[in-house]
Amino acid sequence: DAKTTQPTSMDCAEGRAANLPCNHSTISGNEYVYWYRQIHSQGPQYIIHGLKNNETNEMASLIITEDRKSSTLILPHATLRDTAVYYCIVTRYGKLTFGQGTILTVHP
Amino acid sequence: GAGVSQSPRYKVAKRGQDVALRCDPISGHVSLFWYQQALGQGPEFLTYFQNEAQLDKSGLPSDRFFAERPEGSVSTLKIQRTQQEDSAVYLCASRDPWEGGEKLFFGSGTQLSVL
Repeated sequence: DAKTTQPTSMDCAEGRAANLPCNHSTISGNEYVYWYRQIHSQGPQYIIHGLKNNETNEMASLIITEDRKSSTLILPHATLRDTAVYYCIVTRYGKLTFGQGTILTVHP
Repeated sequence: GAGVSQSPRYKVAKRGQDVALRCDPISGHVSLFWYQQALGQGPEFLTYFQNEAQLDKSGLPSDRFFAERPEGSVSTLKIQRTQQEDSAVYLCASRDPWEGGEKLFFGSGTQLSVL
């Protein structure tokens, strides 16, 4: 699976959009980009995934660059409950490989 | 059930004791995964089941770790002769067979502390 690089931490004001970047320059053509998040004392929670097109669901939007070497997870209106560790994972199938993730802190 | 259920939520063991951690996956989910998460780290894969078959156990750190899922539903992760380095949160996840891709549903984990 391709390696991913994420910032260690980010801050966001409540009500504003949170944009979390992820670099995956060695991604293969058939590998998907997945985003999970982990709120304190809970297991990881699936957010969204995509191959090459931008994706949107009720939780977030995923923007993947045309060359697929990077992506951005967008939480359009961050709330205090969105404070969590966000993991960007690249995989084709099989087990997920979690890195260190980005600690997102949403403040009032 | 409504989600993946793990028990116990917390487990304290003396070094050398054996422990058994239980996972009840979402009903109908044939794929089941175990992960280990050390403090401050991301989860690390341990093993994977498809129904009762253990298809991948490449992440089990030693032969003291053993997982089973005899009837293709509930799974147990057993750790023999626990060591301090086994202290971690053990996460179980299951996957919907009708969903494409790797959308896993995780339980809240069992926090194991070995003294």
